[in-house]
Amino acid sequence: NAGVTQTPKFQVLKTGQSMTLQCAQDMNHEYMSWYRQDPGMGLRLIHYSVGAGITDQGEVPNGYNVSRSTTEDFPLRLLSAAPSQTSVYFCASSPPREYKGEAFFGQGTRLTVV
Amino acid sequence: EDKVVQSPLSLVVHEGDTVTLNCSYEVTNFRSLLWYKQEKKAPTFLFMLTSSGIEKKSGRLSSILDKKELFSILNITATQTGDSAVYLCAVPFKAAGNKLTFGGGTRVLVKP
Repeated sequence: NAGVTQTPKFQVLKTGQSMTLQCAQDMNHEYMSWYRQDPGMGLRLIHYSVGAGITDQGEVPNGYNVSRSTTEDFPLRLLSAAPSQTSVYFCASSPPREYKGEAFFGQGTRLTVV
Repeated sequence: EDKVVQSPLSLVVHEGDTVTLNCSYEVTNFRSLLWYKQEKKAPTFLFMLTSSGIEKKSGRLSSILDKKELFSILNITATQTGDSAVYLCAVPFKAAGNKLTFGGGTRVLVKP
């Protein structure tokens, strides 16, 4: 019952460093997304994918890249970390058939950029 | 622009009280409205509402949707300390794909 697995759980970066947040799901879901959550705010969509090889931008895509080479994996890359990217990041997946919104979330990655 | 607004921002109640959380939305191509509970980590799914006037229930939690007035209510009766959490409301903001617009959440603290 792995569901959606995110790694790492915690990360501290220096300004300008790059890194990749990993997300994997074992439910054969076609839809996957990345959100960030800042204090006192709901989740905001960064990037999403409707299937392998297809990605698109969400609400706050700047400073992030994604790729979807397999159904299972959807990594999020920070190209040059900035303090404004300090946040909690959640990966989510959803089955597409009759999709009406329910998403399954990973446990989150708490990222601090100093 | 699609928008989801939750109120109140936070509330503090005592065990046994009833709480009512509000979620209003403005979205094109409405498909559904979802409620999530977020304790320390990942949001966990509570309800999905698609039709007006039909109440969804799960134990002490219930929710209803009003598509005419564009809002939903989440009720928690006989609250327990384990109900302490942030409750999030979300709507898919396009007809296809998996893009959810979330409200800012309501933080509920239940005191013993």
